[in-house]
Amino acid sequence: ELKVEQNPLFLSMQEGKNYTIYCNYSTTSDRLYWYRQDPGKSLESLFVLLSNGAVKQEGRLMASLDTKARLSTLHITAAVHDLSATYFCAVDPSGSRLTFGEGTQLTVNP
Amino acid sequence: DAGITQSPRHKVTETGTPVTLRCHQTENHRYMYWYRQDPGHGLRLIHYSYGVKDTDKGEVSDGYSVSRSKTEDFLLTLESATSSQTSVYFCAINNIDREYTNTQYFGPGTRLTVL
Repeated sequence: ELKVEQNPLFLSMQEGKNYTIYCNYSTTSDRLYWYRQDPGKSLESLFVLLSNGAVKQEGRLMASLDTKARLSTLHITAAVHDLSATYFCAVDPSGSRLTFGEGTQLTVNP
Repeated sequence: DAGITQSPRHKVTETGTPVTLRCHQTENHRYMYWYRQDPGHGLRLIHYSYGVKDTDKGEVSDGYSVSRSKTEDFLLTLESATSSQTSVYFCAINNIDREYTNTQYFGPGTRLTVL
């Protein structure tokens, strides 16, 4: 059974600080996705990582994938309040089905 | 928003009653999915469809059935709703884009409460 684990599950940080969210998964997969969800809203696609060593950046967020370690990271640089949300990673080893992590609830405080 | 709508957006029902949720897409995507979201579990796949009349079970399919009689609509039915099915239900489509990323895009969600 595929397991996807995120840590931390809850993260409270100050504006301007850096932090990393980790996503570990239990089976081989070359596809990993990061989503963002604001309270009461749907999920928004952030990044798609398709190969070992892939790195994607958008604004203050950077995602990377190490398929050998079965690990993806989402790095937050100089956090701002607008980044407060829940972030999910998801793995798709079969090419048609996603398995999600529990999500990391990020709160950025002034 | 990938042209996905869900109806109803909110529903309150009683234990034992049947409930049908509808997902509608306008862009002719082949794959459609139903997930439920609960605190502490992230999103879990209930059922998915890979074409008209072609469906398969996900990890939490017990108590749910689906139907897809045309490309644009994917229906999720709770034959006899239970309180454990109180959840937020999301529909998604799989968009195979130019980079072949197979990214899933999600509808706005349906909040279901079973009393």
